[in-house]
Amino acid sequence: DTGVSQDPRHKITKRGQNVTFRCDPISEHNRLYWYRQTLGQGPEFLTYFQNEAQLEKSRLLSDRFSAERPKGSFSTLEIQRTEQGDSAMYLCASSFAKRERGTQYFGPGTRLTVL
Amino acid sequence: AQSVSQHNHHVILSEAASLELGCNYSYGGTVNLFWYVQYPGQHLQLLLKYFSGDPLVKGIKGFEAEFIKSKFSFNLRKPSVQWSDTAEYFCAVNARGNTGKLIFGQGTTLQVKP
Repeated sequence: DTGVSQDPRHKITKRGQNVTFRCDPISEHNRLYWYRQTLGQGPEFLTYFQNEAQLEKSRLLSDRFSAERPKGSFSTLEIQRTEQGDSAMYLCASSFAKRERGTQYFGPGTRLTVL
Repeated sequence: AQSVSQHNHHVILSEAASLELGCNYSYGGTVNLFWYVQYPGQHLQLLLKYFSGDPLVKGIKGFEAEFIKSKFSFNLRKPSVQWSDTAEYFCAVNARGNTGKLIFGQGTTLQVKP
């Protein structure tokens, strides 16, 4: 399977701890997106990379959140000093800018529970 | 700011009934339009997309959607639903030519009774 993969699939942590999630996009996709989805809502955009450059961040992304894509391949999303309000599904998507008008393909997500 | 509105939050149908899920968006420029589906326990999958041309687009599993520019709508339809169509459906848009970030509606949960 060469789809988008995310790790871990589930993470339970205590408030105040740091967590890091990983996303591996579809090979050769140059764009990578992070979204957050809470129960009963559609995904909300967090941030976007084109190759290794982070080109846009949502206001939802507080200073406790940081994302990287160091070599333009996989990406990590770190949340520092987690809060209960951070509990959500974190989704990663990838696309190729010049193919299919940049249609995005999603991974299975990482479900974060903050106790 | 862009926004997407899905009018039906929870729809219950019997097998073989026809389906139409509403989606309206708010954006002044040119957009690309998508429907994604999330089956129970699975990740978001692309159902269909519209970029330009024929406003009636066909997707997988017998779904289709019609773009009506004057109404800023992109409604999803299926003539005859099956139990396996039970899922959550999301409408999404992005502004053509920018970063490509998707703006999603809040989703519609479809329950098909056998």
